[in-house]
Amino acid sequence: AQSVTQLDSQVPVFEEAPVELRCNYSSSVSVYLFWYVQYPNQGLQLLLKYLSGSTLVKGINGFEAEFNKSQTSFHLRKPSVHISDTAEYFCAVSTANQAGTALIFGKGTTLSVSS
Amino acid sequence: KAGVTQTPRYLIKTRGQQVTLSCSPISGHRSVSWYQQTPGQGLQFLFEYFSETQRNKGNFPGRFSGRQFSNSRSEMNVSTLELGDSALYLCASRQDRGNSPLHFGNGTRLTVT
Repeated sequence: AQSVTQLDSQVPVFEEAPVELRCNYSSSVSVYLFWYVQYPNQGLQLLLKYLSGSTLVKGINGFEAEFNKSQTSFHLRKPSVHISDTAEYFCAVSTANQAGTALIFGKGTTLSVSS
Repeated sequence: KAGVTQTPRYLIKTRGQQVTLSCSPISGHRSVSWYQQTPGQGLQFLFEYFSETQRNKGNFPGRFSGRQFSNSRSEMNVSTLELGDSALYLCASRQDRGNSPLHFGNGTRLTVT
């Protein structure tokens, strides 16, 4: 069975600082990996996805993530955060035969950006 | 293009009642999935429908059911509500093509008293 662990439940940072949100997964088969963001009282918005190919994936709003198969990690990074990046971030995995459905989510990381 | 639309946004029900939630997917999306989000358990997959058939199911009791109509709209039903069913229920749709991602609605907040 697959599982996702987001290593930090809360990450406080100052505006314009870099940030890394950590995600590790466990799976015995090939996986697809996703990062979603959730703003208060809203649904989830896709930030980026890794399906295959280049291990460095670029997403929206200046975010990027690197897939590391040997460490089973998919950490999310942004070189300079803004106040508007304050939100909850979810890492998710699905197996190849699920084709992006039946996502298994991590517990989420709350990113708080202050000035 | 309109996004995924869920109705109602908020719902308050009493323990033992049943509830039906509605989801209209993005136009052209034939796959609809439902997720439950709670502070304790996080986001959990309920089920997925495609072409009016349940294609995938998570680990939830039979009180949770769903259906999909020919226009891809979907409904989710929870019978004999329990206090623990209080949650944000999220619907997501996707094109059933390649590895297209899920697009989520804003959810229905269900409170069971």
